[in-house]
Amino acid sequence: LAKTTQPISMDSYEGQEVNITCSHNNIATNDYITWYQQFPSQGPRFIIQGYKTKVTNEVASLFIPADRKSSTLSLPRVSLSDTAVYYCLVGDVVEEYGNKLVFGAGTILRVKS
Amino acid sequence: GAVVSQHPSRVICKSGTSVKIECRSLDFQATTMFWYRQFPKKSLMLMATSNEGSKATYEQGVEKDKFLINHASLTLSTLTVTSAHPEDSSFYICSARADGSNQPQHFGDGTRLSIL
Repeated sequence: LAKTTQPISMDSYEGQEVNITCSHNNIATNDYITWYQQFPSQGPRFIIQGYKTKVTNEVASLFIPADRKSSTLSLPRVSLSDTAVYYCLVGDVVEEYGNKLVFGAGTILRVKS
Repeated sequence: GAVVSQHPSRVICKSGTSVKIECRSLDFQATTMFWYRQFPKKSLMLMATSNEGSKATYEQGVEKDKFLINHASLTLSTLTVTSAHPEDSSFYICSARADGSNQPQHFGDGTRLSIL
């Protein structure tokens, strides 16, 4: 299982773009990269998933370089409600009986007004 | 889509009680579900992988007789904390993955278990 490394915390202001980078140097060929958001006393919420290059959805973008040893979650124009813990996970989603996810420490994002 | 319901959201009970937590995938089928435990200000720790129609796979250090898992159908997995003690107090979270390739896990909203 690929181990991930993220910054412990980040601070930002409302309206700014926030980029959180995750390192996963030993990512395997079949591994996908998935990002989750977690608020206190709630389960993690799926944000975005990708394999290579760039993926964009209605809430975020995910940038993955060619070597796939890192990835960057980009949150455009954050608001106070984006204050949460963000987890980067790497796992094999092709595996027949589901991917085993190992959560790292995550990044605490604090958005200030 | 991809909604996972976890019930109950909070349980407070006496030491020695057994507590059952349900995890349901509401709008998709999940051959595999996962159970996690989370301590305050800590990350999620995988406890076990629940497979429909077969025995659960437990992570190292997790007592299978303490944490009974049953995956009765493609949309329901249960975790029973048997003879719970104060040290079992924690936040328990389940997740489910839709069948098919490239599907991410979707999580329930967790169960706060408090043993007095």
